[in-house]
Amino acid sequence: GQQLNQSPQSMFIQEGEDVSMNCTSSSIFNTWLWYKQDPGEGPVLLIALYKAGELTSNGRLTAQFGITRKDSFLNISASIPSDVGIYFCAGQGNSNYQLIWGAGTKLIIKP
Amino acid sequence: GAGVSQSPSNKVTEKGKDVELRCDPISGHTALYWYRQSLGQGLEFLIYFQGNSAPDKSGLPSDRFSAERTGGSVSTLTIQRTQQEDSAVYLCASSLVAQETQYFGPGTRLLVL
Repeated sequence: GQQLNQSPQSMFIQEGEDVSMNCTSSSIFNTWLWYKQDPGEGPVLLIALYKAGELTSNGRLTAQFGITRKDSFLNISASIPSDVGIYFCAGQGNSNYQLIWGAGTKLIIKP
Repeated sequence: GAGVSQSPSNKVTEKGKDVELRCDPISGHTALYWYRQSLGQGLEFLIYFQGNSAPDKSGLPSDRFSAERTGGSVSTLTIQRTQQEDSAVYLCASSLVAQETQYFGPGTRLLVL
């Protein structure tokens, strides 16, 4: 099925470093979502973006809805061990309840 | 309940057998979704239920897959004559109404030997 282009595929970082990941699409979306999935769990919503250009923060997380409506990024500042997991972007059209998903970014924090 | 629950959490079956996966959505949520997640991949939409409307089955990969939702609540995803390529995590989500935030269950890990 259709997927968003999410990068990087994985990240190895030191605790305390900032993290940045992004998603791009050939299609326009009206909603961009960022989810985190821990091992053995389902995805949990982190941030939802509803407006082109919107910049939204949730604690140490910041996400932006690209002005072209075809991309979004997620930043995590001052990473901590519990940030490890897989982060997914998802896009949703205005009249379509279906979410189109990226393949995920696996975040690993080096001891 | 407090969240979406799924059962079983793990299922190992032999090729050719049928399996049933269950999803209990959040109480009061009218929309229910099934997704499949293969290793290292994002989520693949399978089927969507909204209230009493006809379900959107456009994501079901073959006619071996079917799902029903009884009484507008619990849903069962059935895979007949399982194949090895059916091995994946099957995730269920529910939302208050369509296009609202989807809340996911922990998934059922299916392994077809």
